[in-house]
Amino acid sequence: GENVEQHPSTLSVQEGDSAVIKCTYSDSASNYFPWYKQELGKRPQLIIDIRSNVGEKKDQRIAVTLNKTAKHFSLHITETQPEDSAVYFCAATFSSGSARQLTFGSGTQLTVLP
Amino acid sequence: DVKVTQSSRYLVKRTGEKVFLECVQDMDHENMFWYRQDPGLGLRLIYFSYDVKMKEKGDIPEGYSVSREKKERFSLILESASTNQTSMYLCASSPGGGGGETQYFGPGTRLLVL
Repeated sequence: GENVEQHPSTLSVQEGDSAVIKCTYSDSASNYFPWYKQELGKRPQLIIDIRSNVGEKKDQRIAVTLNKTAKHFSLHITETQPEDSAVYFCAATFSSGSARQLTFGSGTQLTVLP
Repeated sequence: DVKVTQSSRYLVKRTGEKVFLECVQDMDHENMFWYRQDPGLGLRLIYFSYDVKMKEKGDIPEGYSVSREKKERFSLILESASTNQTSMYLCASSPGGGGGETQYFGPGTRLLVL
């Protein structure tokens, strides 16, 4: 099956600085890579995703890059704000039989310091 | 707007009890998933279902079973709860097929087994 590794496990940045979270995956057949944000006490919610036919995708202050050759993908948050503080999970699609599953990374606790 | 609900936010059970966790989605999604979330381990897939009465094991199915008698409802069953099943349990659903792989999560059930 798929294996997704995520780094760092914790990240503290000053408000206004950028934050980068990195993930690697093992299954070269994976072709869909979503990122989820989970605020304290809330459910994970999709914030951005990328497919393997695209190298980069941006949505306002958030961007995701994908390097298929190296099997790396990264989340970039610019001009961080206190409300960006949360746990972020990367994931990769894994096809097994009947349905597409997601394999998640272990999560990154991002703290934005005012 | 996709709505995924879970029957309880908090549950306290005793070792050996049978525990039922229920999940309901209102978007006619094909796929439903059960995860457990533990600090530092991310979201680990327990079971998923791609159709009514169909189920497949995820990464950590031991000690759990599931039931999907109706499309909108997916139940997780702990046949004989043990203390190592104390965790946060998250349900998710996705459209499946050509509808995409984005998973929508419920609010979670925090289970404590004494």
